[in-house]
Amino acid sequence: DAKTTQPTSMDCAEGRAANLPCNHSTISGNEYVYWYRQIHSQGPQYIIHGLKNNETNEMASLIITEDRKSSTLILPHATLRDTAVYYCIAHAGNNRKLIWGLGTSLAVNP
Amino acid sequence: NAGVTQTPKFQVLKTGQSMTLQCAQDMNHNSMYWYRQDPGMGLRLIYYSASEGTTDKGEVPNGYNVSRLNKREFSLRLESAAPSQTSVYFCASRQLAGAGYNEQFFGPGTRLTVL
Repeated sequence: DAKTTQPTSMDCAEGRAANLPCNHSTISGNEYVYWYRQIHSQGPQYIIHGLKNNETNEMASLIITEDRKSSTLILPHATLRDTAVYYCIAHAGNNRKLIWGLGTSLAVNP
Repeated sequence: NAGVTQTPKFQVLKTGQSMTLQCAQDMNHNSMYWYRQDPGMGLRLIYYSASEGTTDKGEVPNGYNVSRLNKREFSLRLESAAPSQTSVYFCASRQLAGAGYNEQFFGPGTRLTVL
């Protein structure tokens, strides 16, 4: 599975959009991009995933560049409860190679 | 539905002791996973079970064994605990093993300290 690169930390003001970038320049054609978050010591929680097209659900939007080498997770109106570590993962189905990385620690400030 | 449950929530062991971490899911998922997470680090895959009756090693399997007891339950055993195994252990399940379109669901974790 492709390696992903994310900034270590980010800040966002409450009520504003949080845009979390992820670089996956070596992603292959059959690899999906998944986003999860982990709120202080809890189990990770699935947010969204995509292959080529942009995706939106009740939690977030996922924008994938046309060349698929990077993506952005958008939390449209961040709240204090969105403070968490966000993980971007590229995964094609080889479970042995599920690499989580260190993620981005997002702090939403009042 | 309870989702993914793990027992115990907390455990303290002495070096050399053994224990089994239990995990169960009620979502009729085929695949189950065990991860460990050390302070300030991402999750590392210990073992996984793509389907009932199969298990396979992940990134960090040394010192652990697993049993896929049935479709619902996947246990992780430490035969002789070492301080390096102090960590938070997460169990996860997934409908299918392939990447396609199905996400992992995680349990609340077991916090293990080995003295």
